[in-house]
Amino acid sequence: QVQLQESGPGLVKPSETLSLSCTVSGGSISNYYWSWIRQPPGKEPEWIGYIYYTGNTNYNPSLKSRVTISVDTSKNQFSLKLSSVTAADTAVYYCARVQRLGELRSWFDPWGQGTLVTVSS
Amino acid sequence: SYMLTQPPSVSVAPGQTATITCGGNSIGYKSVHWYQQKPGQAPVVVVYDDSDRPSGIPERFSGSNSGNTATLTISRVEAGDEADYYCQVWDSSSGHPTVIFGGGTKLTVL
Repeated sequence: QVQLQESGPGLVKPSETLSLSCTVSGGSISNYYWSWIRQPPGKEPEWIGYIYYTGNTNYNPSLKSRVTISVDTSKNQFSLKLSSVTAADTAVYYCARVQRLGELRSWFDPWGQGTLVTVSS
Repeated sequence: SYMLTQPPSVSVAPGQTATITCGGNSIGYKSVHWYQQKPGQAPVVVVYDDSDRPSGIPERFSGSNSGNTATLTISRVEAGDEADYYCQVWDSSSGHPTVIFGGGTKLTVL
């Protein structure tokens, strides 16, 4: 049974770069798409982007200029970098596996437990 | 950009049927997925691709999708079903495939 675990700083200063990693256990990162999703307190989830194990990516256009998602198959990990953060980037950040029936029929399962990242000086 | 509209809240007595809707322009042509999120936990998919159920999800959870409305139906509601529910689709109308989540519906079991 695949499990995902997010890790990284819980506090980031404004204008700095948020960096998180997601470790996949119980299965290989290969042959799947993997995604980052965030959820501001009290709001709906917001998709950030996904990466295929080969490194192909697709980002939310609203965040694309600030987002980089990368993968390290040797560590069974993928990572998120979000630059120039502001208070609006405060959220619980989740990593998740993408289940695909086709690009426009994909959903997310399972999700990691999530990690709260607060942007504050 | 594409928008999904959910009622903010739905209340139902135990044993009754809860109906949660997700409205969107011609959503019937899209594949809709539903997530359940309990306080302090990550979302869990309860219905995918309009009406399919992952293993481990009770048959009480079902979905349908037609026209401008997708629907999640929870039969014989239990106290443990109290949670926030989100619908999710992909939209490529801008030329770039993007994930869209609905605003969420809080299900209260009276």
